[in-house]
Amino acid sequence: NAGVTQTPKFQVLKTGQSMTLQCAQDMNHNSMYWYRQDPGMGLRLIYYSASEGTTDKGEVPNGYNVSRLNKREFSLRLESAAPSQTSVYFCASSEIQGGAGDQPQHFGDGTRLSIL
Amino acid sequence: DQQVKQNSPSLSVQEGRISILNCDYTNSMFDYFLWYKKYPAEGPTFLISISSIKDKNEDGRFTVFLNKSAKHLSLHIVPSQPGDSAVYFCAAITNAGKSTFGDGTTLTVKP
Repeated sequence: NAGVTQTPKFQVLKTGQSMTLQCAQDMNHNSMYWYRQDPGMGLRLIYYSASEGTTDKGEVPNGYNVSRLNKREFSLRLESAAPSQTSVYFCASSEIQGGAGDQPQHFGDGTRLSIL
Repeated sequence: DQQVKQNSPSLSVQEGRISILNCDYTNSMFDYFLWYKKYPAEGPTFLISISSIKDKNEDGRFTVFLNKSAKHLSLHIVPSQPGDSAVYFCAAITNAGKSTFGDGTTLTVKP
């Protein structure tokens, strides 16, 4: 039972390079999310997709784009990476938007991204 | 303006004793509150939740208490075990499905 799978697990980029982080879930969840976690801080929502075919901005969307490719897959793209985007990125999914009650969000193990 | 705050970055307790982790919030529109646990190099995993219409929810060693008038919730772990050592995040969800996380509290349970 894989749950939420993120690739790659680690990546080092140079400033200005572009990259796409991949996320796939096998739980048939409707909603998917991308978060970033900086040292000593909580999870900040970048973008989310409440259902297949829709995407919306979260708290910190600048510098990112997303694609909900199908129900399973939700990718995050950095078009021109900046050192301020060095972070750990987590993808999550849930049956209902927000993941409340007994249907919480399920997280992948993260992508550790360093931008030099 | 941080809507969900965990004011204690760290907490250390002895094995077998009670751990109490606290969380404060400012938005009255939050419908559900959840606690997630995170080990190093892993993603957060769901621990326990509580609806805004309740004041207590219990699951084994874990109990969450909600005080709506004080906009405060707490997670009690009794008895604490070394395997409970992790970062604990408080999260709040609005009725529109928007989630907000606190900055986390690192719990260390000493044998």
